[in-house]
Amino acid sequence: KAGVTQTPRYLIKTRGQQVTLSCSPISGHRSVSWYQQTPGQGLQFLFEYFSETQRNKGNFPGRFSGRQFSNSRSEMNVSTLELGDSALYLCASKPRTGVDNSPLHFGNGTRLTVT
Amino acid sequence: GNSVTQMEGPVTLSEEAFLTINCTYTATGYPSLFWYVQYPGEGLQLLLKATKADDKGSNKGFEATYRKETTSFHLEKGSVQVSDSAVYFCALSVFNGGSQGNLIFGKGTKLSVKP
Repeated sequence: KAGVTQTPRYLIKTRGQQVTLSCSPISGHRSVSWYQQTPGQGLQFLFEYFSETQRNKGNFPGRFSGRQFSNSRSEMNVSTLELGDSALYLCASKPRTGVDNSPLHFGNGTRLTVT
Repeated sequence: GNSVTQMEGPVTLSEEAFLTINCTYTATGYPSLFWYVQYPGEGLQLLLKATKADDKGSNKGFEATYRKETTSFHLEKGSVQVSDSAVYFCALSVFNGGSQGNLIFGKGTKLSVKP
């Protein structure tokens, strides 16, 4: 079974640009979450999607958005990039949302560098 | 609010040494507790979990016991190997009346094991 796939692995953008990151969950997984990892703040939750609907949202500005498609693939978008958005963005999937203790399966991440 | 505190690293040990990484938490509701591991250049992998008080999670020689009275979930291994070198994250997820929330992570502890 293929794992969580994130593309691209690396991105370099300049301030003010926007960026789209893609995530393909494990087959059969319908919940997709996104996390930002930085040396200073650690791992922080961005949002979770299930059945094409955002189910949960972290404390990030509106410049960070996402969506999920009918095949459960997800994208996240960051507009008007700032230097502080440089981070490793991790996508994770699990079979379902709600009352569920099944573990998250993480992709290898997209390393975004903003210059 | 909900939070996780884990011992700061880096931790450097010799092969076959005993490992303890401390983790304490603050949570409302009924938390599930997790240890994730991140190898260089990769995403996070679930190492073990415990979903209720006094549960012991174990995997690959690692163990952690959910201690409600001390709000702790310390990670232990009796004899570490060079291949255990990685960053270890303690995390919690809170069940609040029907909703399983997102993962809240500690800052991570980098472990280096020398031959």
